[in-house]
Amino acid sequence: RKEVEQDPGPFNVPEGATVAFNCTYSNSASQSFFWYRQDCRKEPKLLMSVYSSGNEDGRFTAQLNRASQYISLLIRDSKLSDSATYLCVVNKGTGGFKTIFGAGTRLFVKA
Amino acid sequence: EAQVTQNPRYLITVTGKKLTVTCSQNMNHEYMSWYRQDPGLGLRQIYYSMNVEVTDKGDVPEGYKVSRKEKRNFPLILESPSPNQTSLYFCASSFRGTGDTGELFFGEGSRLTVL
Repeated sequence: RKEVEQDPGPFNVPEGATVAFNCTYSNSASQSFFWYRQDCRKEPKLLMSVYSSGNEDGRFTAQLNRASQYISLLIRDSKLSDSATYLCVVNKGTGGFKTIFGAGTRLFVKA
Repeated sequence: EAQVTQNPRYLITVTGKKLTVTCSQNMNHEYMSWYRQDPGLGLRQIYYSMNVEVTDKGDVPEGYKVSRKEKRNFPLILESPSPNQTSLYFCASSFRGTGDTGELFFGEGSRLTVL
């Protein structure tokens, strides 16, 4: 079993749709959680951190469920520019020196 | 401009010919890390460095070496490349590890092909 698992997709949604991605992790000692975005053939960039209380940044909402060991990302009112691969990232311990990336979920938003 | 710079961006080489991929950051970050990205596997951590002269193995260190003699540079060395090291490589830096700020700043990637 992979340490961080994501549905690879692809998710094909129309503009304006709401789409949700889930990610599960196996190490219960994991401390920090993040969503990164990666455009085709580009480097990953931080989208948002994920906090236990949940957090929102505009159209994006991230949730963490420690008991079930999963993280979610909700995108509301999808835009064409949201088309990308979304990477779930978990650190392996204190300090965050060892990072585990999920394989990513591919999203296509169509007009 | 704050950035992480990798070189070369593209390289085709042959089995056994030593090569070095350089990585430099201008943000005075303490933490630097190397990853490789392969289809279906995501990014996997090769080595990381918490500061000058302090390095440690990630999940896939076999066949790679690193050094951190200066804070800004973190080269990745392939002493004897093999075809299974064909991959897209990313260098990243962070102020002090992802547990601190969470934000890793990545270079643009180096696509390596070993024939």
